Amino acid sequence: DAKTTQPTSMDCAEGRAANLPCNHSTISGNEYVYWYRQIHSQGPQYIIHGLKNNETNEMASLIITEDRKSSTLILPHATLRDTAVYYCIVRVGNRDDKIIFGKGTRLHILP
Amino acid sequence: NAGVTQTPKFQVLKTGQSMTLQCAQDMNHNSMYWYRQDPGMGLRLIYYSASEGTTDKGEVPNGYNVSRLNKREFSLRLESAAPSQTSVYFCASSGDNSPLHFGNGTRLTVT
Repeated sequence: DAKTTQPTSMDCAEGRAANLPCNHSTISGNEYVYWYRQIHSQGPQYIIHGLKNNETNEMASLIITEDRKSSTLILPHATLRDTAVYYCIVRVGNRDDKIIFGKGTRLHILP
Repeated sequence: NAGVTQTPKFQVLKTGQSMTLQCAQDMNHNSMYWYRQDPGMGLRLIYYSASEGTTDKGEVPNGYNVSRLNKREFSLRLESAAPSQTSVYFCASSGDNSPLHFGNGTRLTVT
């Protein structure tokens, strides 16, 4: 079973920040939080990952709570092209990872 | 850089027929994965391979076999296709402590 839980769907107005939550209450100390997104039926695309500290790249920001039991992916200025399914997963990062995806959050960006 | 290449892109089979889905990566990654995605659903792990010569079952391995032929290639075989195996199949690869890279998928219909 997936180690993460996410809301099934969310709406966000174009130009606003989209905040996507993820719960991972059973995360282990050596597990990273990874975020991916899938646009239409394409292969999922990597967005960002982190262990303990907050992370930012050109696509998004990742905020991880101090107890590491939840995280939030932030798309700072959502556009229509950000409409997609967003997946949050946890993994150790070793080569023998059994990487399990949940159902993700379907994000609708509203014009 | 091609990344992860899957062939074929589309396939239609009759019940009982067999076929092999091919996947190759050119990123020198150790780990490779096969997922299936049914309409409106998340990704489910079929099999994965942590290194050349090793394979392990994922969440839904029944009805499938895999071969990790070498470091580059990881194939998925359906010995006797069933309508329940109609799905989109994604191959992915990953280096140690690095994100998954996905192919563009194989869309399989079994009639």
